[in-house]
Amino acid sequence: QVQLQESGPGLVKPSETLSLTCTVSGGSISGYYWTWSRQPPGKGLEWIGNIYNRGTTNYNPSLKSRVTISLDTSKSQFSLKLTSVTAADTAVYYCSRGGNYADTWGQGVLVTVSS
Amino acid sequence: DIQMTQSPSSLSASVGDRVTITCRASQDIRHYVAWFQQKPGTAPKSLIYGASTLQSGVPSKFSGSGSGTDFTLTINNLQPEDFATYYCQQYKSYPLTFGGGTKVEIK
Repeated sequence: QVQLQESGPGLVKPSETLSLTCTVSGGSISGYYWTWSRQPPGKGLEWIGNIYNRGTTNYNPSLKSRVTISLDTSKSQFSLKLTSVTAADTAVYYCSRGGNYADTWGQGVLVTVSS
Repeated sequence: DIQMTQSPSSLSASVGDRVTITCRASQDIRHYVAWFQQKPGTAPKSLIYGASTLQSGVPSKFSGSGSGTDFTLTINNLQPEDFATYYCQQYKSYPLTFGGGTKVEIK
């Protein structure tokens, strides 16, 4: 069965760029939507955006000016870049499969924005 | 954006109880609702999509209903492993949005 694993720095300085990668294993990355979501500590879930295997993306307007999601099918990976981060971007970041609702999730990675 | 309002935000229940969680959308979203279960320190788990279709492997004690703006998640015969936070999510239109969550605690 497909498995997803997030990776990337757990600490990012304010004003810098948060970069995360999700590695897909046990299944094909082609033919699916792939999604990033986040959850600030003790709070609810927020959808960040998704990408389809031909590079089509959809982003949350609240983050759109700072977000880029990309896909590398040769590595079975997709990535998230969030620029100009602040403390408000501190959260557990999840990657998942599915464009409308996620049927499979990664375990999540905590990213703290702090100097 | 479509707002999803869950109620209650938390509830206490006993093992064996039947629990109902409500989710209201700010506009008609037909049947485009999914439900997730999240336990502390873990990722959400998909339970239901299409308002009432169980995800593969999810026990039939979970059921969903509703259409338009009002939706419910029902859990029958509550067991210790069911104590968690539950979220609804709409996928009628972007941006996808979640309800605030309902924490089901042990009475």
